[in-house]
Amino acid sequence: SQQGEEDPQALSIQEGENATMNCSYKTSINNLQWYRQNSGRGLVHLILIRSNEREKHSGRLRVTLDTSKKSSSLLITASRAADTASYFCATDGLGGGADGLTFGKGTHLIIQP
Amino acid sequence: DTAVSQTPKYLVTQMGNDKSIKCEQNLGHDTMYWYKQDSKKFLKIMFSYNNKELIINETVPNRFSPKSPDKAHLNLHINSLELGDSAVYFCASSRGSSNYGYTFGSGTRLTVV
Repeated sequence: SQQGEEDPQALSIQEGENATMNCSYKTSINNLQWYRQNSGRGLVHLILIRSNEREKHSGRLRVTLDTSKKSSSLLITASRAADTASYFCATDGLGGGADGLTFGKGTHLIIQP
Repeated sequence: DTAVSQTPKYLVTQMGNDKSIKCEQNLGHDTMYWYKQDSKKFLKIMFSYNNKELIINETVPNRFSPKSPDKAHLNLHINSLELGDSAVYFCASSRGSSNYGYTFGSGTRLTVV
């Protein structure tokens, strides 16, 4: 069954604004990852946060994880037109990597120039 | 370039045909995967495979079969193609153990007519 649910499904903001996407999941995890997918392309790994971490930064990206609420958020600061893409959260379960990632439905982010 | 490469990028075929999609990774990763992305962009794992075990998602029809000639390759064979098999198929690889991101190929868009 589907693990993650992203919220919102679509988000349109002006260039320079911050974009926040949320993700909820159902089962225990080893880590949670965020991926970006540009139209017609493959997925690109953005950031990974372990289950014992609460916050992580990478450049303009900030990820939080609340395991008690089974939720995560991805913040993109000072958005750029090139950030226009679909963003997916994915959970890595307790199977040691062999079970693969379980993806959410994704948030389609549009940055208006 | 270090990458996950899959071929072909586009595949159009008639119902009932048998087809294969090839995937190769030169990252030295231990585990490879096949994912299916439907028209609503939902990603679902089909198989994960390392040199020790194959894990099959129970919802995948047995018309789909992975073949791994060596650690760097995981090809996808599909028999008796059906209209519902139309989707984008992504190959991915990872270091196998948890807490590492995945590297995805650019996808194969399969259209069954």
